Amino acid sequence: QMTQSPSSLSASVGDRVTITCRASQSISSYLTWYQHKPGKAPKLLIYAASSLQSGVPSRFSGSGSGTDFTLTISSLQPEDFATYYCQQSYSTPQTFGQGTKLEIK
Amino acid sequence: QEQLVESGGGLVKPGGSLRVSCAGSGFTFSDYYMSWIRQAPGKGLEWISYISSRDNTIYYADSVSGRFTISRDNAKDSVYLQMNSLRAEDTAVYYCARGDYSSSSMDVWGQGTTVTVSS
Repeated sequence: QMTQSPSSLSASVGDRVTITCRASQSISSYLTWYQHKPGKAPKLLIYAASSLQSGVPSRFSGSGSGTDFTLTISSLQPEDFATYYCQQSYSTPQTFGQGTKLEIK
Repeated sequence: QEQLVESGGGLVKPGGSLRVSCAGSGFTFSDYYMSWIRQAPGKGLEWISYISSRDNTIYYADSVSGRFTISRDNAKDSVYLQMNSLRAEDTAVYYCARGDYSSSSMDVWGQGTTVTVSS
């Protein structure tokens, strides 16, 4: 089971934001972060806990291993307002966190 | 351009069946595992099934096990999800996604197809 916090977050353009994901047991670094906007396909941001997917802006970063992980956006841009999900691929079912909705303050 | 396109969604009565398809293009389909993920109205993403690239290793979420069947045809660059004994709670947007073995992540997603289960 994957638990994200917070479930929602209000922030302003330029803010630094951190989202946390906790696994109920160790998943090593088998942790992926996705961004999802309404009506669009989810987008891969970070894989293997800390590797930035090609084409993703460097303001996105990930860290952690074992059970505790974080996604950080260093300086929020208008296009970053979306819902963010973590997902473990260590074992099946490959569960997602419940999501963190990032809204404009 | 690498892309996935889902099709086959629609309105079906409870207890009915539906098959959704996902066609890949712009990449070597048989090199990747494939997954189905869904999002019910107002809910988050739910992983529901996985199929390996060539040896047909298959996994399901408990919520669909015994009712849904995943399959693929590498000659047609397509993956399928046969859904039987559908329930109202299966109403969702269904996404297919390409899985990269090297990163253990889903790096290409389709736009989704909507399945509505209602009488």
